[in-house]
Amino acid sequence: DGGITQSPKYLFRKEGQNVTLSCEQNLNHDAMYWYRQDPGQGLRLIYYSQIVNDFQKGDIAEGYSVSREKKESFPLTVTSAQKNPTAFYLCASSMGPGPYPLDFGPGTRLLV
Amino acid sequence: AQKVTQAQTEISVVEKEDVTLDCVYETRDTTYYLFWYKQPPSGELVFLIRRNSFDEQNEISGRYSWNFQKSTSSFNFTITASQVVDSAVYFCALSEERGSYIPTFGRGTSLIVHP
Repeated sequence: DGGITQSPKYLFRKEGQNVTLSCEQNLNHDAMYWYRQDPGQGLRLIYYSQIVNDFQKGDIAEGYSVSREKKESFPLTVTSAQKNPTAFYLCASSMGPGPYPLDFGPGTRLLV
Repeated sequence: AQKVTQAQTEISVVEKEDVTLDCVYETRDTTYYLFWYKQPPSGELVFLIRRNSFDEQNEISGRYSWNFQKSTSSFNFTITASQVVDSAVYFCALSEERGSYIPTFGRGTSLIVHP
């Protein structure tokens, strides 16, 4: 079955530690996204990538980094510079640049 | 200013009631798309519908219907005869041509359907 997998489901981060959230898709989608969800805040865009080896900052990129070395993978690193990392992180993908619906992964809950 | 406003933070209804979730958007583009997604308690968002700015025709899918009105910049979602399984957080999103179609989400409306 095609879809998006995120791991781990829960992640605990110690102060000053970098952690990496995994996102893999087998939908052959060109575009991938990372959103952060906080209670009452909706989904806020962290980073997105519309093609391999290229990515762009979203609205709240500070304290995060990404890479897109393979089409199917878009890992997100939460660095120690992110002072309030506790949130639910959602990875998504779409067919490509354009007004396509997003497919979402099951999310990773990061706790500090 | 928010581009997508979902003013209803939480709605509570009893099963079989009809319920409407409001979505108001703001854009200067003439070409844009609107979406609705459902986030059940499991956490994974599910796509429900997409409309483009040139098609104001309302849509019905089973118990779900959507009312798109450009005159009021609204794209409201109605669930008829609600069921407990409809309990979820619902998000409205906007994709604008000038924004490279990267979607902007509203803050979501939590719908609780009581048996």
